[in-house]
Amino acid sequence: DGGITQSPKYLFRKEGQNVTLSCEQNLNHDAMYWYRQDPGQGLRLIYYSQIVNDFQKGDIAEGYSVSREKKESFPLTVTSAQKNPTAFYLCASSMEVPAGIQYFGAGTRLSVL
Amino acid sequence: AQSVSQHNHHVILSEAASLELGCNYSYGGTVNLFWYVQYPGQHLQLLLKYFSGDPLVKGIKGFEAEFIKSKFSFNLRKPSVQWSDTAEYFCAVTMNTGFQKLVFGTGTRLLVSP
Repeated sequence: DGGITQSPKYLFRKEGQNVTLSCEQNLNHDAMYWYRQDPGQGLRLIYYSQIVNDFQKGDIAEGYSVSREKKESFPLTVTSAQKNPTAFYLCASSMEVPAGIQYFGAGTRLSVL
Repeated sequence: AQSVSQHNHHVILSEAASLELGCNYSYGGTVNLFWYVQYPGQHLQLLLKYFSGDPLVKGIKGFEAEFIKSKFSFNLRKPSVQWSDTAEYFCAVTMNTGFQKLVFGTGTRLLVSP
């Protein structure tokens, strides 16, 4: 089946710890995205990548980092600098144009211990 | 900055009632418009989209939306809701300049009681 696979489904972070969320797609899409979903705030863009080895900050990039070494993979690291990391994280991909038609993974729920 | 407003945060309806969810955006240029839906325990998925042409667009499961350019609106409608329509609905917009970043509204939680 073609789609977006996010892992793990649930993740717990200790104080001062960096954690990495995985996102893999087999849709052969050029563009990939990371969003943070908080109740009542919709989806906010963290980072996006239009092509391998290139990525740009979204609206709330502070405390996060990404890499795009392979077309199918776009991992997100939540660093210790992110003081409020508890949220639902969604990964998506799209053909570059039209970028509005995005395909989403099932999400990772991150909580702080 | 571009923004998308969804005025109804929570909506509760009985089955067979009609639905209209409001969506307004702030951008004066050409836009592409979308409604995404997140059913409980499922992936966020595209419900319908508008790029150009007929401003009344039809999507999956009997949903439709009307683009009114003069009002900067893209309201979602369904004549008769079902219990299975219980979900969170997100309006989203891309601006037709440069990389088409998708900007989401805050979402509307719809609960349909049987």
